[in-house]
This record gives sequence, structure tokens and C-alpha cells, in this order.
Amino acid sequence: QVQLVESGGGLVKPGGSLRLSCAASGFTFSDYYMSWIRQAPGKGLEWVSYISSSGSTIYYADSVKGRFTISRDNAKNSLYLQMNSLRAEDTAVYYCARVRSGTPNWFDPWGQGTLVTVSS
Amino acid sequence: SYELTQPPSVSVSPGQTARITCSGDALPKQYAYWYQQKPGQAPVLVIYKDSERPSGIPERFSGSSSGTTVTLTISGVQAEDEADYYCQSADSSGTYEVFGTGTKVTVL
Repeated sequence: QVQLVESGGGLVKPGGSLRLSCAASGFTFSDYYMSWIRQAPGKGLEWVSYISSSGSTIYYADSVKGRFTISRDNAKNSLYLQMNSLRAEDTAVYYCARVRSGTPNWFDPWGQGTLVTVSS
Repeated sequence: SYELTQPPSVSVSPGQTARITCSGDALPKQYAYWYQQKPGQAPVLVIYKDSERPSGIPERFSGSSSGTTVTLTISGVQAEDEADYYCQSADSSGTYEVFGTGTKVTVL
């Protein structure tokens, strides 16, 4: 079955960096756009970024543009999120999700999430 | 920035019908999607393209659209339906996906 497993979360100081990974299985990873979505503690969902199947098209939310970099390795069935210059407001559970093409795109399924805590 | 507005909470007795609305100016032009999120779990898609139900989602979940408002209806609510529900769509350009503010459904 389709499975997405995130890793790499943890505690980091403000201004620090962290790299999240998402391992995909159960589908042809290279055929799909992929996305990162986050959820601050007790808050709603916020779309962060998505990347096309080849990696040639990338979009970011304004809140992370210039600080976060999304990438993928289709040979390894893996999605990544490099997070630099982290701020307290980046504290959240980060989910990776497979993107389904539509008007607009939607997300199915989602991984279980990995918690990123930015605190001194 | 574009916003999708949902009521913060909806309370319903078992067996009754819960209706959750989502309002946004671009909804006449863009499909809406609905996700269910139970505590400590990842969101799960329950409705796509306004009214389509993914395989494995119970028939009691349905969606509809009218103008700038979309509605998720849960008919014959069960205790297991207690969760947060989020709508999702995009602004009129369709470039950036946006989630609604979320609605907590409480089964009394």
C-alpha cells in the first residue's frame, strides 16, 4: 500500500538548520508531484512547498521562501526539505504528502509527520 | 492572502446530521477538498472535487457546493467521526493551495 514516512525532526535553536526526509513506497514515486505541509501545535494546516515529478517546478509559501529548499531523489524514492534560518514560528509537525493533480491540486495520502521544535 | 473560513466547532448527537461549511471567494472557480484529522494522527482525505468520495470512505460522508460556499455533510454521525475537519482549495490563480481554518466536530 502507499506509504510515506517522514524523519529528521527534532529540537533546533533559532537560526539553525534541519533537513527533513520522506521515504515513499507502494507507488511510482517519479510519477507524482510531492508536497510538504505543516501544522503548528494546536493550530491549523499550512501548505509549505511542492515539487514537480521531475523536480523542475517548485513553489514555496511566502512564509518560508528563501529559507527552505525542497528537493527529491527519484532513484531513492525520497523527498527532502532543507530548512535554514529557522524561527520559533517554524515549530510544527511537518507532513509530506503525495500531490494529486486537479483544479486545484490535493493531497493524498499523508505521512505520519515529524515534529520540528525551534527553541533556545 | 486568500482565506477559507470555517466555523470553529460543530456539535451533533449520534445518529444526527453534521454540516460543516467552508466559504471563500474563489470557490466558484476552484474545487474543494475535505480532510479529517483525529487527535495525534495525520489528515485523511474524505471528499475530493467538491463531492467525490475516495474508496474506503463511508457513504455517510458527502460534499456539495453552492456559490462561494462548500459543505461537508456527515449523515448518521458516529462517535468515531469526532475529529477536526479542514477544507482545502486555492486562490483564483490556482497556484497556491490554501487550507480552511478548521472545524472541530464533537459528538455529544
